Amino acid sequence: DAGVTQSPTHLIKTRGQQVTLRCSPKSGHDTVSWYQQALGQGPQFIFQYYEEEERQRGNFPDRFSGHQFPNYSSELNVNALLLGDSALYLCASSGDRGYGYTFGSGTRLTVV
Amino acid sequence: GNSVTQMEGPVTLSEEAFLTINCTYTATGYPSLFWYVQYPGEGLQLLLKATKADDKGSNKGFEATYRKETTSFHLEKGSVQVSDSAVYFCALSDWDKIIFGKGTRLHILP
Repeated sequence: DAGVTQSPTHLIKTRGQQVTLRCSPKSGHDTVSWYQQALGQGPQFIFQYYEEEERQRGNFPDRFSGHQFPNYSSELNVNALLLGDSALYLCASSGDRGYGYTFGSGTRLTVV
Repeated sequence: GNSVTQMEGPVTLSEEAFLTINCTYTATGYPSLFWYVQYPGEGLQLLLKATKADDKGSNKGFEATYRKETTSFHLEKGSVQVSDSAVYFCALSDWDKIIFGKGTRLHILP
Protein backbone atom coordinates (compact mmCIF):
# COMPACT_ATOMS: atom_id res chain seq x y z
CA ASP A 1 0.00 0.00 0.00
CA ALA A 2 1.67 3.18 -1.20
CA GLY A 3 1.85 6.01 1.26
CA VAL A 4 1.91 9.69 0.37
CA THR A 5 3.93 10.41 -2.75
CA GLN A 6 5.42 13.82 -3.48
CA SER A 7 7.19 15.09 -6.57
CA PRO A 8 9.73 16.32 -7.31
CA THR A 9 12.02 15.49 -4.39
CA HIS A 10 14.31 18.45 -4.99
CA LEU A 11 13.87 21.66 -6.95
CA ILE A 12 15.94 24.77 -7.56
CA LYS A 13 14.20 27.93 -8.74
CA THR A 14 15.18 31.53 -9.30
CA ARG A 15 13.69 34.39 -7.33
CA GLY A 16 10.51 35.66 -9.01
CA GLN A 17 9.70 32.39 -10.72
CA GLN A 18 6.68 30.17 -10.11
CA VAL A 19 6.72 26.58 -8.87
CA THR A 20 4.25 23.69 -8.70
CA LEU A 21 4.63 20.81 -6.26
CA ARG A 22 2.57 17.64 -6.48
CA CYS A 23 1.16 15.18 -3.97
CA SER A 24 -0.66 11.86 -4.25
CA PRO A 25 -2.42 10.89 -1.04
CA LYS A 26 -2.39 7.53 0.65
CA SER A 27 -4.99 5.13 -0.65
CA GLY A 28 -8.32 5.69 1.08
CA HIS A 29 -7.51 9.25 2.16
CA ASP A 30 -9.55 12.13 0.78
CA THR A 31 -8.02 15.13 2.56
CA VAL A 32 -4.68 16.71 1.70
CA SER A 33 -2.79 19.27 3.79
CA TRP A 34 0.38 21.16 2.94
CA TYR A 35 3.06 22.29 5.38
CA GLN A 36 6.19 24.40 5.02
CA GLN A 37 9.22 23.45 7.10
CA ALA A 38 11.98 26.03 7.11
CA LEU A 39 15.46 24.89 8.09
CA GLY A 40 15.67 24.21 11.82
CA GLN A 41 11.97 24.87 12.40
CA GLY A 42 8.82 22.86 12.87
CA PRO A 43 6.36 22.46 9.99
CA GLN A 44 3.88 25.31 9.52
CA PHE A 45 0.38 24.69 8.15
CA ILE A 46 -0.26 26.25 4.74
CA PHE A 47 -3.72 24.96 3.81
CA GLN A 48 -5.94 21.92 3.54
CA TYR A 49 -8.06 20.60 0.68
CA TYR A 50 -11.16 18.44 0.93
CA GLU A 51 -13.68 17.73 -1.84
CA GLU A 52 -11.62 19.92 -4.18
CA GLU A 53 -12.12 22.99 -1.97
CA GLU A 54 -9.72 24.80 0.35
CA ARG A 55 -11.15 24.03 3.77
CA GLN A 56 -8.71 25.82 6.02
CA ARG A 57 -5.75 28.12 5.54
CA GLY A 58 -2.80 29.11 7.66
CA ASN A 59 -1.01 32.43 7.79
CA PHE A 60 0.48 32.39 4.29
CA PRO A 61 0.17 35.04 1.58
CA ASP A 62 -1.96 34.65 -1.54
CA ARG A 63 1.19 33.77 -3.50
CA PHE A 64 0.58 30.30 -2.11
CA SER A 65 -2.33 28.56 -3.79
CA GLY A 66 -3.43 25.02 -4.30
CA HIS A 67 -5.71 22.65 -6.04
CA GLN A 68 -7.22 19.25 -5.42
CA PHE A 69 -8.26 16.96 -8.24
CA PRO A 70 -11.17 14.48 -8.35
CA ASN A 71 -8.76 11.62 -7.59
CA TYR A 72 -7.78 13.49 -4.38
CA SER A 73 -4.27 14.33 -5.55
CA SER A 74 -3.17 17.90 -4.97
CA GLU A 75 -0.86 20.63 -6.18
CA LEU A 76 0.78 23.48 -4.31
CA ASN A 77 1.64 26.55 -6.39
CA VAL A 78 3.88 29.36 -5.26
CA ASN A 79 4.14 32.52 -7.37
CA ALA A 80 6.78 35.25 -7.33
CA LEU A 81 9.23 33.14 -5.35
CA LEU A 82 11.25 34.78 -2.61
CA LEU A 83 14.49 33.58 -1.08
CA GLY A 84 12.53 33.00 2.12
CA ASP A 85 10.35 30.41 0.38
CA SER A 86 13.28 28.00 0.46
CA ALA A 87 12.09 25.13 2.63
CA LEU A 88 10.96 21.53 2.77
CA TYR A 89 7.34 21.32 1.66
CA LEU A 90 5.45 18.44 3.21
CA CYS A 91 2.19 16.99 2.05
CA ALA A 92 0.01 15.04 4.46
CA SER A 93 -3.11 13.05 3.70
CA SER A 94 -5.79 11.97 6.11
CA GLY A 95 -9.28 10.61 6.40
CA ASP A 96 -12.21 12.73 7.39
CA ARG A 97 -11.58 15.57 9.88
CA GLY A 98 -7.83 15.19 9.77
CA TYR A 99 -7.49 11.95 11.67
CA GLY A 100 -4.78 9.52 10.77
CA TYR A 101 -2.33 11.93 9.17
CA THR A 102 0.33 10.38 6.93
CA PHE A 103 3.18 12.58 5.73
CA GLY A 104 5.14 12.32 2.52
CA SER A 105 8.90 12.67 2.37
CA GLY A 106 8.64 16.22 1.11
CA THR A 107 9.93 18.40 -1.69
CA ARG A 108 13.06 20.39 -0.93
CA LEU A 109 12.70 23.79 -2.67
CA THR A 110 15.71 26.05 -2.98
CA VAL A 111 15.22 29.58 -4.28
CA VAL A 112 18.37 31.30 -5.53
CA GLY B 1 -4.09 30.50 19.81
CA ASN B 2 -3.01 26.93 20.33
CA SER B 3 0.71 26.32 20.58
CA VAL B 4 3.39 23.83 21.56
CA THR B 5 6.64 24.55 23.37
CA GLN B 6 9.39 21.97 23.57
CA MET B 7 12.87 22.00 25.00
CA GLU B 8 15.53 23.33 22.72
CA GLY B 9 18.33 21.13 21.54
CA PRO B 10 20.55 19.74 20.60
CA VAL B 11 20.42 17.02 23.20
CA THR B 12 23.48 14.78 23.26
CA LEU B 13 23.44 11.51 25.20
CA SER B 14 25.50 8.37 25.38
CA GLU B 15 24.03 5.10 24.19
CA GLU B 16 21.82 3.41 26.84
CA ALA B 17 21.19 6.69 28.67
CA PHE B 18 17.71 7.74 29.81
CA LEU B 19 15.98 10.29 27.60
CA THR B 20 13.46 12.99 28.45
CA ILE B 21 12.34 15.67 26.02
CA ASN B 22 9.97 18.15 27.62
CA CYS B 23 6.86 19.41 25.86
CA THR B 24 4.10 21.70 27.09
CA TYR B 25 1.09 22.93 25.21
CA THR B 26 -1.51 25.67 25.22
CA ALA B 27 -4.89 24.78 23.81
CA THR B 28 -8.58 25.39 24.10
CA GLY B 29 -10.56 22.22 24.39
CA TYR B 30 -8.97 18.80 24.47
CA PRO B 31 -6.64 18.26 21.54
CA SER B 32 -4.91 15.04 20.61
CA LEU B 33 -1.18 15.12 21.27
CA PHE B 34 1.57 13.63 19.15
CA TRP B 35 5.27 13.02 18.92
CA TYR B 36 6.71 12.91 15.41
CA VAL B 37 10.25 11.93 14.45
CA GLN B 38 12.24 13.12 11.45
CA TYR B 39 15.36 11.25 10.41
CA PRO B 40 17.98 13.08 8.31
CA GLY B 41 16.74 13.84 4.83
CA GLU B 42 13.33 12.34 5.41
CA GLY B 43 9.76 13.42 6.10
CA LEU B 44 7.84 13.07 9.33
CA GLN B 45 6.88 9.80 10.95
CA LEU B 46 4.31 9.53 13.71
CA LEU B 47 6.07 8.08 16.75
CA LEU B 48 3.18 7.99 19.23
CA LYS B 49 -0.04 9.73 20.12
CA ALA B 50 -2.54 10.21 22.93
CA THR B 51 -6.09 11.36 22.44
CA LYS B 52 -7.31 12.17 25.96
CA ALA B 53 -6.09 13.06 29.43
CA ASP B 54 -4.06 10.37 31.23
CA ASP B 55 -3.61 8.37 28.02
CA LYS B 56 -0.12 6.97 27.54
CA GLY B 57 1.19 6.68 24.00
CA SER B 58 4.03 4.26 23.39
CA ASN B 59 6.05 2.93 20.47
CA LYS B 60 9.57 1.53 19.94
CA GLY B 61 10.39 1.97 23.64
CA PHE B 62 9.30 5.62 23.68
CA GLU B 63 6.49 6.76 25.97
CA ALA B 64 4.57 9.96 26.67
CA THR B 65 1.61 10.61 28.97
CA TYR B 66 -1.07 13.23 28.32
CA ARG B 67 -1.11 15.37 31.48
CA LYS B 68 -4.01 17.83 31.46
CA GLU B 69 -3.21 19.29 34.89
CA THR B 70 0.30 20.32 33.81
CA THR B 71 -0.52 20.67 30.07
CA SER B 72 2.46 18.48 29.30
CA PHE B 73 3.36 15.55 27.05
CA HIS B 74 6.98 14.73 27.82
CA LEU B 75 8.75 12.09 25.71
CA GLU B 76 10.79 9.44 27.54
CA LYS B 77 12.86 6.40 26.69
CA GLY B 78 14.69 4.23 29.15
CA SER B 79 17.70 3.30 27.04
CA VAL B 80 18.48 5.18 23.84
CA GLN B 81 20.34 3.77 20.85
CA VAL B 82 22.48 5.42 18.20
CA SER B 83 19.66 4.77 15.73
CA ASP B 84 17.40 7.10 17.77
CA SER B 85 19.42 10.10 16.57
CA ALA B 86 16.87 12.34 14.82
CA VAL B 87 14.76 15.44 15.31
CA TYR B 88 11.68 15.00 17.51
CA PHE B 89 8.59 17.19 17.21
CA CYS B 90 5.84 17.54 19.78
CA ALA B 91 2.51 18.45 18.20
CA LEU B 92 -1.19 18.87 18.83
CA SER B 93 -4.33 18.67 16.74
CA ASP B 94 -6.20 21.90 16.12
CA TRP B 95 -9.39 20.97 14.33
CA ASP B 96 -8.22 19.94 10.88
CA LYS B 97 -4.56 20.82 11.21
CA ILE B 98 -1.56 19.91 13.32
CA ILE B 99 0.48 22.49 15.20
CA PHE B 100 4.11 21.57 15.74
CA GLY B 101 6.78 22.64 18.16
CA LYS B 102 10.14 23.77 16.82
CA GLY B 103 11.73 20.37 17.25
CA THR B 104 14.50 18.93 19.40
CA ARG B 105 17.56 17.45 17.75
CA LEU B 106 18.78 14.32 19.54
CA HIS B 107 22.30 13.02 19.04
CA ILE B 108 23.29 9.67 20.56
CA LEU B 109 26.97 8.86 20.96
CA PRO B 110 28.11 5.21 20.72
